[in-house]
Amino acid sequence: DAGVTQSPTHLIKTRGQHVTLRCSPISGHKSVSWYQQVLGQGPQFIFQYYEKEERGRGNFPDRFSARQFPNYSSELNVNALLLGDSALYLCASQLATGTETQYFGPGTRLLVL
Amino acid sequence: QKEVEQDPGPLSVPEGAIVSLNCTYSNSAFQYFMWYRQYSRKGPELLMYTYSSGNKEDGRFTAQVDKSSKYISLFIRDSQPSDSATYLCAMIILNSNSGYALNFGKGTSLLVTP
Repeated sequence: DAGVTQSPTHLIKTRGQHVTLRCSPISGHKSVSWYQQVLGQGPQFIFQYYEKEERGRGNFPDRFSARQFPNYSSELNVNALLLGDSALYLCASQLATGTETQYFGPGTRLLVL
Repeated sequence: QKEVEQDPGPLSVPEGAIVSLNCTYSNSAFQYFMWYRQYSRKGPELLMYTYSSGNKEDGRFTAQVDKSSKYISLFIRDSQPSDSATYLCAMIILNSNSGYALNFGKGTSLLVTP
């Protein structure tokens, strides 16, 4: 079985642009969470989606948005990019929403110049 | 003050040593505790998961939770060079109204030298 897949693996953008990151969860998993990991820090929670509905939101500005599709894949959108948005963006897949194990993808490394 | 504190290291030990990694937390609502391992340029992978105070063992790894002190530890016995990675503690609040987000520590960088 394939694990969590994310695309693209790397991305370079300039300030002010917007970006869309994509995630496909493990087959059978219905929940996807997004985390931002700045270099030298632990991952920080951005969003959790379950059955296409937002179930949790971290302390991030409205420039960050996400959605989940009927096939449970998900997109994370970031508008008006800032230099500080440079980070590894991680997607985590979960069977449902609760205390089950979250399985992480390899991440998308975003660099904002 | 962050809710989860973890010394970033780096921690360097010789092969075969016992490694002790620690986190403290301030929010007593945390009830589920995990340790993740993250290799360079990879996503975190779950090592241990526990929800009660006490010890839980899995091979060379032992997770210890002391809820009264708000302190968790991960011990690695007979450490190997392949254990060189960043170790992240993570916690979940039970019955969260905002989803079951993982709250991570900063991560401790471990280097096991041959």
